[in-house]
Order: sequence, then structure tokens, then C-alpha cells
Amino acid sequence: DIQMTQSPSSLSASVGDRVTITCRASQAISSYLNWFQQKPGKAPLLLIYAASTLQSGVPSRFSGSGSGTDFTLTISSLQPEDFATYYCQQSYSPPRAFGQGTKVEIK
Amino acid sequence: QLQLQESGPGLVKPSETLSLTCTVSGGSISSTTSYWGWIRQPPGKGLEWIGSIKYSGTTYYNPSLQSRVTMSVDTSKNRFSLDLSSVTAADMAVYYCARRDVSAWSRFDYWGQGSLVTVSS
Repeated sequence: DIQMTQSPSSLSASVGDRVTITCRASQAISSYLNWFQQKPGKAPLLLIYAASTLQSGVPSRFSGSGSGTDFTLTISSLQPEDFATYYCQQSYSPPRAFGQGTKVEIK
Repeated sequence: QLQLQESGPGLVKPSETLSLTCTVSGGSISSTTSYWGWIRQPPGKGLEWIGSIKYSGTTYYNPSLQSRVTMSVDTSKNRFSLDLSSVTAADMAVYYCARRDVSAWSRFDYWGQGSLVTVSS
């Protein structure tokens, strides 16, 4: 099974900051990598798929990069509505595991 | 606009079977580019992929749950279901259904709002 490891597990940032979250797969997954945002009591929201493709309707301050085993989600200028938990997920092969999550909190 | 809605009992007794249904609207469950899946999230914890099913009945299950999981699809009612047997407190979670679009790098693009299942006698 492919394991997904995110870092950091949490971070504190201010509005306007540039934020970077990393995700590492235990084996190569090409670009089969999704990024989700989840707010309390809500379902996950797809932000990025295919490692770097922005899902329709998602603000352009979100971007993704990487391929193979190492991936990054970047928020170029953190907005108040971006405080949430972010998950990566590999969709290369079953079981389609998620990372453990990164909680982005207000500094 | 595709919509998914979970339904089922919110309370299940230990050792019994958890059964949930996801009804799809705004699109056909028989889409050749869609797999329909279940993901769960224990309170305060992360997301766990349970498995997925295609309209044809092809299934993929998480090996960690495979011995207890059964998924099925009802194309006439545009819905799919999850059965998880012999539940324990560790199975208490919010259960989400979701669509995996295999035409676009297997993105999980549509989700239900989630259904909280409590395991208690």
C-alpha cells in the first residue's frame, strides 16, 4: 500500500502570508495527487487534482506542484477563509490513502 | 450539477452491521467515467478511504477493512450502498460518499455532506 506523509501537521500563519504544505508518497504515483480543504463540520473540498490542476471555482492563490513522490500545495496569500485543514490524497492505486492532514491556524 | 446524499441509521450497536446508502442526483450512476466511493472520518481525526464501486459492480476495498466491507450499486435507483459488519467503537465516524472521476486523473470532485454514525449499545 502507498503511504502518504504530510508536513507540517499544523502551522500558524497570518493573513497575507505565503503558506506551503508538503506531501510525500511512499512510492511513485506520477501526478495522481489530489489536495483537499476541509472546514469543521463540512465535507472535504477538492482544490487541486493531477498534482497541479486547479479545480473549477477554486481561487488562483492556490497552486500545486510535484510529481513522482514529492508534492507541494502553496497558498500565495493566505485569506481569512483559508484557515482550515488540508489533506493530500493519492489516486494512483487502491487503497487511495490520504495524508494525515495539515491544520492551518491563525497566528 | 451532481449531488450526493448519504442516508442511514445514525446509531448502530456493537457487533451489528452498519448500512449506508448514497443517492446520486443530477447525473447517472452508470457513467462510464465514474467510480463511487466511501470515505470515513472518526471524530477529530483524518480521512480514511474505505472503497469504491463502479456501476458494473467492480469494487475496490481497503485491505484494512476488506473482510467486513460490502459495497453494492442499484442503477435503477441511482444509488450505491455500504455495509460494514461487526462494528466496534473504532468504526464510529462521519461517513462520506464521493465520486471519483477517472476521466480527469481520478479526482474526487463531488462529495456528500456526510453521515455521522455512532456505535453504542
